[in-house]
Amino acid sequence: QVQLVQSGAEVKKPGASVKVSCKASGYTFATYYIHWVRQAPGQGLEWMGIIKPSGGSTSYVQKFQGRVTMTRDTSTSTVYMELSSLRSEDTAVYYCARGPPGTPYWFDPWGQGTLVTVSS
Amino acid sequence: SYELTQPPSVSVSPGQTAKITCSGDALPKQYAYWYQQKPGQAPVLLIYKDTERPSGIPERFSGSSSGTTVTLTISGAQAEDEADYYCQSADSSYTYVVFGGGTKLTVL
Repeated sequence: QVQLVQSGAEVKKPGASVKVSCKASGYTFATYYIHWVRQAPGQGLEWMGIIKPSGGSTSYVQKFQGRVTMTRDTSTSTVYMELSSLRSEDTAVYYCARGPPGTPYWFDPWGQGTLVTVSS
Repeated sequence: SYELTQPPSVSVSPGQTAKITCSGDALPKQYAYWYQQKPGQAPVLLIYKDTERPSGIPERFSGSSSGTTVTLTISGAQAEDEADYYCQSADSSYTYVVFGGGTKLTVL
């Protein structure tokens, strides 16, 4: 079955970077897009951007431009999301989610989520 | 920026029908999607392209669209349907994804 398995929880200090992984299985990795969505504690869902595994092209929400980098390793069917210059407001659960190629964008399934805590 | 508006909360008695609305100016031109999120879990796709239901989703979940409002209907709500529900769409130029603020469904 299609599955996205994410790396474990992280605790980081303000100003540091975090890199979250998302390993895909059960389908042809290059065919589908991978999105990143985050959810601050008690808050709603926020889309961060997308990576297209076939060629590695990315598109980021303007809010995160300059701080986020999404990459992929086709040999292991794994996508990475790195967020730098962390601040307390970045404390959230970060989800990867698969999406069909092309637009419109939608998400199915989702990874289990990775809690990133930013605290001094 | 583009926004989708959902009611913060909806209550329903077991076995009754719950309706959760989502409003946005671009919805006549863009599909809407619905996700269910239970506490401590990742969201799950319930409805795609306004009205389509993925395999494995119970038939009591359905979606509809009318003008600038889309609606998720839960027919015969069950206790296990208590969760947060999010609508999702895109702006009219497909520039970015937007989520509604979420609706907490209480079954009591």
